[in-house]
Amino acid sequence: SQELEQSPQSLIVQEGKNLTINCTSSKTLYGLYWYKQKYGEGLIFLMMLQKGGEEKSHEKITAKLDEKKQQSSLHITASQPSHAGTYLCGAAIPRGTSYGKLTFGQGTILTVHP
Amino acid sequence: DSGVTQTPKHLITATGQRVTLRCSPRSGDLSVYWYQQSLDQGLQFLIQYYNGEERAKGNILERFSAQQFPDLHSELNLSSLELGDSALYFCASSVGGGSPLHFGNGTRLTVT
Repeated sequence: SQELEQSPQSLIVQEGKNLTINCTSSKTLYGLYWYKQKYGEGLIFLMMLQKGGEEKSHEKITAKLDEKKQQSSLHITASQPSHAGTYLCGAAIPRGTSYGKLTFGQGTILTVHP
Repeated sequence: DSGVTQTPKHLITATGQRVTLRCSPRSGDLSVYWYQQSLDQGLQFLIQYYNGEERAKGNILERFSAQQFPDLHSELNLSSLELGDSALYFCASSVGGGSPLHFGNGTRLTVT
């Protein structure tokens, strides 16, 4: 089964600093999805990556998928307190009857100090 | 707002009881997924439905069951509840394979 490992498990940064969260898969990724979760709330979809080498940005958040499609990174530039929360990566499995479900990493807890 | 509605938001019940969690997917989404999130296990996939049919099963206990109705809403039934079943239960929906999942705000279940 697909396993995702996120690093670091937690991160504390000062407002304005840049940071990177990594997500590594034990198998080739057929789709990699980044989500953000505030404590006790639902997951908010951030970005989806499907092609090797793909990079997407939204506001100050950039996500990349490596060429081998086994690792993704999420980079936040000039962090703000509003970026605080738990970031989870989710992997899609290859096409099949259960195509669509995602397996998630354990999450990275981000704290941003003003 | 993801467009996925889950009710109730909170549920407190005793061991041995049975509860039903309800989910209304986003308009147009045919796939519904149920996940369980706990501190020690993280976010675990339970079951997936597509247009009323079960598509995939994950780490779902035999005491748990689910269904998706013709109007596409879904229910997750949890029976013979144990203390360890206390968790956040999320429903998500998508238009189909490969599309992002959109999550509801979850139902927090506390078993006492």
